Amino acid sequence: DAGVIQSPRHEVTEMGQEVTLRCKPISGHNSLFWYRQTMMRGLELLIYFNNNVPIDDSGMPEDRFSAKMPNASFSTLKIQPSEPRDSAVYFCASSFTTGGKEQFFGPGTRLTVL
Amino acid sequence: GQQVMQIPQYQHVQEGEDFTTYCNSSTTLSNIQWYKQRPGGHPVFLIQLVKSGEVKKQKRLTFQFGEAKKNSSLHITATQTTDVGTYFCARDDKIIFGKGTRLHILP
Repeated sequence: DAGVIQSPRHEVTEMGQEVTLRCKPISGHNSLFWYRQTMMRGLELLIYFNNNVPIDDSGMPEDRFSAKMPNASFSTLKIQPSEPRDSAVYFCASSFTTGGKEQFFGPGTRLTVL
Repeated sequence: GQQVMQIPQYQHVQEGEDFTTYCNSSTTLSNIQWYKQRPGGHPVFLIQLVKSGEVKKQKRLTFQFGEAKKNSSLHITATQTTDVGTYFCARDDKIIFGKGTRLHILP
């Protein structure tokens, strides 16, 4: 099995630019999670989907962040406009259900906003 | 209120020494998960604890869930260099991760 796939693995952009991060969950998983990791704040849940429906987006920092899951095999996290404080590693994870099951994390996207 | 606190934040041990990290919550947990993240890697699931007082072992790793289901611990016996990384607990009902304990092994 391929595991959770994220792209790009690294992204360097300038402040004000739009950034789109992509995730392909493990086939058959119906829950998908987006996390942001920084040294200062640790691993933060941004949003999660269950059966392609956003369930909890309370972790999304502000309106500049948006996430979509148009189908069971693809999700995007978009930042527009990006700011230097958005620099972090963004992880996507998937699981069979929202609770009670292990999450499988992707390799992450390291975002640097200059 | 729903956060999980992990201590210590950092731990340096000599290879061969034991290591323990603790995870504490002010509220009762339905279950707790433990993950390990190697430097430069992504979190990898280790185990889930559900029952009060539960103890599970994976080779040199021992996981415990407190009787009140408000705390948990991970103990590694005789650490090896392969144990290097950050160990996270996560309260599954709210999908909230602790800040992690970073383990560094001194050769």
